[in-house]
Amino acid sequence: AQSVTQLGSHVSVSEGALVLLRCNYSSSVPPYLFWYVQYPNQGLQLLLKYTSAATLVKGINGFEAEFKKSETSFHLTKPSAHMSDAAEYFCAVSLYDYKLSFGAGTTVTVRA
Amino acid sequence: GAVVSQHPSWVICKSGTSVKIECRSLDFQATTMFWYRQFPKQSLMLMATSNEGSKATYEQGVEKDKFLINHASLTLSTLTVTSAHPEDSSFYICSAPGGGRDTQYFGPGTRLTVL
Repeated sequence: AQSVTQLGSHVSVSEGALVLLRCNYSSSVPPYLFWYVQYPNQGLQLLLKYTSAATLVKGINGFEAEFKKSETSFHLTKPSAHMSDAAEYFCAVSLYDYKLSFGAGTTVTVRA
Repeated sequence: GAVVSQHPSWVICKSGTSVKIECRSLDFQATTMFWYRQFPKQSLMLMATSNEGSKATYEQGVEKDKFLINHASLTLSTLTVTSAHPEDSSFYICSAPGGGRDTQYFGPGTRLTVL
């Protein structure tokens, strides 16, 4: 079975500080991994994805993530938080039947 | 890029009525679409897979007689919540694969409130 676990349901950072969101996965097949952002009452926006190419993946809005097979992790980082980064973030893994399995989500708040 | 639309974006209905939500792929054909449900402050949970020309497949615990799915064409899937009750109030999101395991197009979601 494939699944993802997001460590920390809520992360609070100061504006300009590092954002680190943790995601660990379990998968019986080579995983495709995704990070999505969701603003209130809106759909999902893809931040970045890992598809077995480069292990360090750069996404939109200054986010990046590193795939570490040995640690079964795909943590999301951004060097300097902005107020507009306040949102809900979801890590997801893709299955062979194209279904996505989502983590529980992490709420990011940014303090001025 | 490819776009998936949903209609309506929000709907309020009375308990016991049925509500239909449409999911359309606007510039590509989607033989498969997925329906997710998201309760407030929670993650997305896959409800069912909609297959053009065949019956939908439902995830464990999802009542297929309550959540009717019809994939009428290569660009349209509909989710009908029958005899809706307040506990069905949720955010419903559809998605369609973009041809590979690495791409998924999401609709903007439909907020359903059952009074």
